[in-house]
Amino acid sequence: NAGVTQTPKFQVLKTGQSMTLQCAQDMNHNSMYWYRQDPGMGLRLIYYSASEGTTDKGEVPNGYNVSRLNKREFSLRLESAAPSQTSVYFCASREQGQNTGELFFGEGSRLTVL
Amino acid sequence: DQQVKQNSPSLSVQEGRISILNCDYTNSMFDYFLWYKKYPAEGPTFLISISSIKDKNEDGRFTVFLNKSAKHLSLHIVPSQPGDSAVYFCAASAGAGTYKYIFGTGTRLKVLA
Repeated sequence: NAGVTQTPKFQVLKTGQSMTLQCAQDMNHNSMYWYRQDPGMGLRLIYYSASEGTTDKGEVPNGYNVSRLNKREFSLRLESAAPSQTSVYFCASREQGQNTGELFFGEGSRLTVL
Repeated sequence: DQQVKQNSPSLSVQEGRISILNCDYTNSMFDYFLWYKKYPAEGPTFLISISSIKDKNEDGRFTVFLNKSAKHLSLHIVPSQPGDSAVYFCAASAGAGTYKYIFGTGTRLKVLA
């Protein structure tokens, strides 16, 4: 099984450009998440989707939008990229109701905004 | 305000010895805690978790201890192996059915052969 798949893996943008990070999971999980990782800041939650049809803000949602397209897919959109959004982005999923509450992560998407 | 803190950015340990990674939290509503390991250019992978109804959970070489009164948890790795060299994140969530997981800033562990 592929688990959580993110595309693209690398992207370079100019300030003001827009782009969408795609995420798909094949584990039939209900909940999906977008995190960003920055040096010294750890993993910070951008948005999450508890179930298909719902989305909620996390710790750092400004400058981002999300779409839960269906149960498998959860996309993250930058409408007007800024250098402060240079980061590594991770998508994750979780099976609702699972006792351990484990998040399964993708391999990450490295975004550079010039 | 950082609700989950890992105050040691890095730690070096000799192979075969114990590695102890620490994590502090401020939100008394947190009741479920996880540890993740991350290698460069890979996504974080789950290691071990603990519920607030327990004070210890063990899985092979990995043991997590929870001290609720001190709002502190620690991950013990015994014996440490060079393959354990990675960044370790602790994470916490609050309340049954919650969906938000808050992560710490991470500790880079280096196990010296």
